[in-house]
Amino acid sequence: QVHLVESGGGLVKPGGSLRLSCAASGFPFSDSYMSWIRQAPGKGLEWVSYISLSGNVIFYADSVRGRFTISRENAKKSLYLQMNSLRAEDTALYYCAHLTSGVGEGTFDIWGQGTVVTVSS
Amino acid sequence: SFVLTQPPSVSVAPGKTARITCGGDNIGSNPVHWYQQRPGQAPVVVIHYDRDRPSGIPERFSGSKSGNTATLTISRVEAGDEADFYCQVWDSNTDHPVFGGGTKVTVL
Repeated sequence: QVHLVESGGGLVKPGGSLRLSCAASGFPFSDSYMSWIRQAPGKGLEWVSYISLSGNVIFYADSVRGRFTISRENAKKSLYLQMNSLRAEDTALYYCAHLTSGVGEGTFDIWGQGTVVTVSS
Repeated sequence: SFVLTQPPSVSVAPGKTARITCGGDNIGSNPVHWYQQRPGQAPVVVIHYDRDRPSGIPERFSGSKSGNTATLTISRVEAGDEADFYCQVWDSNTDHPVFGGGTKVTVL
């Protein structure tokens, strides 16, 4: 059974930090590009970041570059998102997603159920 | 930056056909993927690479593309098709994936 399970969300004050985790199972994690995608309350999908198989290729959306860091531990089949300098506009449901093929054409074919991040004083 | 434009909403009677468009520069030269997101659930791919259906997706879902507009067509619409639908394309200039704003399909 293919599964992605996110954790680590919560309530944090503006300027604070949070680390999200995503545990994968049921597919070859170390052979997979992985991504974080978020959805603000009542809004659409916004891609946040993706990382290559070994972590040597990483891209970020302009809205989070310099504040968020994506990483992975293939031995633990885990994906992470370190979020610093959080802002109210980062409030969203954060999904972990598997990318079917390399950069430039693939689809996000496996999604977790998401973890909620709320940035508020 | 690359923008994909979708109508905010589409309403359709049961048994009829719903068409959702996705427009943007350079769509014609990049594959378009479509996702269905039912309320409270994660998105699911219903069409990938313009017109291909992943396994398990009903034949009622089809995709097409003409010029800089892609279209997701849902035939013989059912109540269970009510959801938000998003198109997605890769921006070849930045290597960033881009989502359309989403279309809410309401079954009357």
